[in-house]
Amino acid sequence: GAGVSQSPSNKVTEKGKDVELRCDPISGHTALYWYRQRLGQGLEFLIYFQGNSAPDKSGLPSDRFSAERTGESVSTLTIQRTQQEDSAVYLCASSRQSNQPQHFGDGTRLSIL
Amino acid sequence: QKEVEQDPGPLSVPEGAIVSLNCTYSNSAFQYFMWYRQYSRKGPELLMYTYSSGNKEDGRFTAQVDKSSKYISLFIRDSQPSDSATYLCAMSAASGNNRLAFGKGNQVVVIP
Repeated sequence: GAGVSQSPSNKVTEKGKDVELRCDPISGHTALYWYRQRLGQGLEFLIYFQGNSAPDKSGLPSDRFSAERTGESVSTLTIQRTQQEDSAVYLCASSRQSNQPQHFGDGTRLSIL
Repeated sequence: QKEVEQDPGPLSVPEGAIVSLNCTYSNSAFQYFMWYRQYSRKGPELLMYTYSSGNKEDGRFTAQVDKSSKYISLFIRDSQPSDSATYLCAMSAASGNNRLAFGKGNQVVVIP
């Protein structure tokens, strides 16, 4: 596709359930980022993938959060045993190289009941 | 102190006015500076991308970076109702993971 694609666009789940969010980056973009946008807060960096290098997980808030990426394609962000404070918009961005402009998808709006 | 400070107060201006937005930052390693526009329930859309200090103009938009003061600005000339959105400043270092550090965003409303 022409842009970064994320799915689902909305997810409502009960506290304690696991959720999986998907990101399909722009074709040819080697760098992929996940951010979280909580209400009234700026975007927070979560994790970074660059090609086949080990991911930079320094922004993950707890061990309930994990992410994977297959080569330079799709990435999934998994949140286990969801808590209410996990409610946020989860945004994915990709760039051609790591020092190039990042382009964002429309995010997944996650609500934990 | 947060890495990036952006006064999140909403801003209402009449159509045709100049919109002025700014951010300050504390990390002297930041070299890349961006402004994103975000419409409701959409992802951030890149507006301006600059490297180091200086000015950059693109149509009605002008971005300024003053690294000595750790201060960046965005000006929107001849504002239009379609400019009504939230504007986010973002910046990154030149090395490492190039993660973006964001301000909280300014909600701008252009009144016809």
